[in-house]
Amino acid sequence: NAGVTQTPKFRVLKTGQSMTLLCAQDMNHEYMYWYRQDPGMGLRLIHYSVGEGTTAKGEVPDGYNVSRLKKQNFLLGLESAAPSQTSVYFCASSYSGRAEAFFGQGTRLTVV
Amino acid sequence: AQSVSQHNHHVILSEAASLELGCNYSYGGTVNLFWYVQYPGQHLQLLLKYFSGDPLVKGIKGFEAEFIKSKFSFNLRKPSVQWSDTAEYFCAGTLSGGSYIPTFGRGTSLIVHP
Repeated sequence: NAGVTQTPKFRVLKTGQSMTLLCAQDMNHEYMYWYRQDPGMGLRLIHYSVGEGTTAKGEVPDGYNVSRLKKQNFLLGLESAAPSQTSVYFCASSYSGRAEAFFGQGTRLTVV
Repeated sequence: AQSVSQHNHHVILSEAASLELGCNYSYGGTVNLFWYVQYPGQHLQLLLKYFSGDPLVKGIKGFEAEFIKSKFSFNLRKPSVQWSDTAEYFCAGTLSGGSYIPTFGRGTSLIVHP
């Protein structure tokens, strides 16, 4: 029973490099989210999706792009990484917007 | 904009002490409220949730929360904490004015000394 799986778990990037974080859920959830967690800032929503083929901006979308080509996957891309994007990234999914969210284990990203 | 705020950012208690963590939301429409816990090095897990009905909600591990609509509050309580409750606690809400997208408070770091 995997739930929400994020890959990779750790990554170090150089400034200007690009990468994609993958989130996969096996619960047939419609809603998926990407958050970043920084000390003292809580969880801030980057982008979200309310269904396959749809995406929307959250609170801190700049420097990130997302895609939801398949219902079970939600990809977060960094086109040109910056040190300010050093953070822990969490993916989550939920059956609906009103339901509880299930979280992945997180990706710790360091940009040097 | 809809928001969720947590008053206590750092709480330090001794085992067996009582706990109350404050949470307020800013919107007066339909709300669903949650408390999540994040143990060190782990992902967030649901402690309890409120959708409607009885405003006193009981969750896992002896936690409970009370929804007080007139105060826009959803405070988390536990009568006697344990060392294993050391974690970060997040209040969250999905608000009808926010298209039901989860909004999180900044979190409260709880340290329980044995």
